[in-house]
Amino acid sequence: DTGVSQDPRHKITKRGQNVTFRCDPISEHNRLYWYRQTLGQGPEFLTYFQNEAQLEKSRLLSDRFSAERPKGSFSTLEIQRTEQGDSAMYLCASSLENLEAFFGQGTRLTVV
Amino acid sequence: EDQVTQSPEALRLQEGESSSLNCSYTVSGLRGLFWYRQDPGKGPEFLFTLYSAGEEKEKERLKATLTKKESFLHITAPKPEDSATYLCAVYTNAGKSTFGDGTTLTVKP
Repeated sequence: DTGVSQDPRHKITKRGQNVTFRCDPISEHNRLYWYRQTLGQGPEFLTYFQNEAQLEKSRLLSDRFSAERPKGSFSTLEIQRTEQGDSAMYLCASSLENLEAFFGQGTRLTVV
Repeated sequence: EDQVTQSPEALRLQEGESSSLNCSYTVSGLRGLFWYRQDPGKGPEFLFTLYSAGEEKEKERLKATLTKKESFLHITAPKPEDSATYLCAVYTNAGKSTFGDGTTLTVKP
């Protein structure tokens, strides 16, 4: 399978715990995006990378969120001290520069 | 700030009943407009990219069109398997996409 892969698909965590999600993009894609989606809403931009450089981060993203893309390949999104409001689907997408993005199946986070 | 508005929020059609979904936008520096299909619990699936006003793209029963202020997704003779949420997104000079909240289409047999 050469699509975007996300792991885990589902995560249930207690409030206050840290969680980390992984995204493996399509191999030849140099851009990688993270989005968050809640029920009935469209995906909301969080951050994106071009190769290993993080080029933009949404001002809505609190300091508890951090993303990395070491060596310009896979990416991780970490949420520290999770809150119930963090419950959502976290989507990763990749693209060639300035072209359409292809999405993974997402990680569904539930904070209890 | 870039804004994307999709209408209607929900659309119920009988199989074979053609209709259109609307995506209106206010952006600076539009580079392209994307249409995606999303099934429940899954990530969005890419359908089309439109780059300039007057452009049209077709795929099976779907046709997407673009003007300077809006895009339409026309669905001709839909089938139950076309039931999904359809999302549009604008891609700008900022290098990222802003999505609308989608139209949820239900096609009854």
